[in-house]
Amino acid sequence: GAVVSQHPSWVICKSGTSVKIECRSLDFQATTMFWYRQFPKQSLMLMATSNEGSKATYEQGVEKDKFLINHASLTLSTLTVTSAHPEDSSFYICSARELFGSGTRLTVV
Amino acid sequence: GENVEQHPSTLSVQEGDSAVIKCTYSDSASNYFPWYKQELGKRPQLIIDIRSNVGEKKDQRIAVTLNKTAKHFSLHITETQPEDSAVYFCAATPYILTGGGNKLTFGTGTQLKVEL
Repeated sequence: GAVVSQHPSWVICKSGTSVKIECRSLDFQATTMFWYRQFPKQSLMLMATSNEGSKATYEQGVEKDKFLINHASLTLSTLTVTSAHPEDSSFYICSARELFGSGTRLTVV
Repeated sequence: GENVEQHPSTLSVQEGDSAVIKCTYSDSASNYFPWYKQELGKRPQLIIDIRSNVGEKKDQRIAVTLNKTAKHFSLHITETQPEDSAVYFCAATPYILTGGGNKLTFGTGTQLKVEL
């Protein structure tokens, strides 16, 4: 059945490095995917809308140069956290249709 | 944009009792209202949803009601069980994208604890 697959499930990186997170739609095509960020015990906050073949749409307050989104195919969107800092540590989760990926726990040390 | 408020933030019930979580939304154009269950460290799981042309929907022990006039919708869980313990989020969106997804605005979440 339709599933959204997200990798990696967790990653630890050094401050100043970049991290790429992949989100794939399995058994369906997704022209649009969404990236959310969730802090502990808080709700999901939409960061950006990923559009296949075109630029992502970012929510107010989200730095597009820091959170690079690429949606090169109908089944894959990637989020790259560039020059990561400890304050970027969070749970990042993607979605397509009403389905969510398993999330990525990013820890920047 | 859309604003979704959710109450209560925490809810404790005894096993077998019912639990009700309420949400209000601001955008009268919203037409799709899903509810998600999220266990610690895991992805949100869609448990039930309702569209604006329906007033109530039920799936076994879970039901959702929608009052478009008042702009509020509620989740009802009957005969609660310990495994129902989780965080529940309501959400709303003014449109549904075909072939893609729903740009959802989430409520702040309700921590449900079902006690033995």
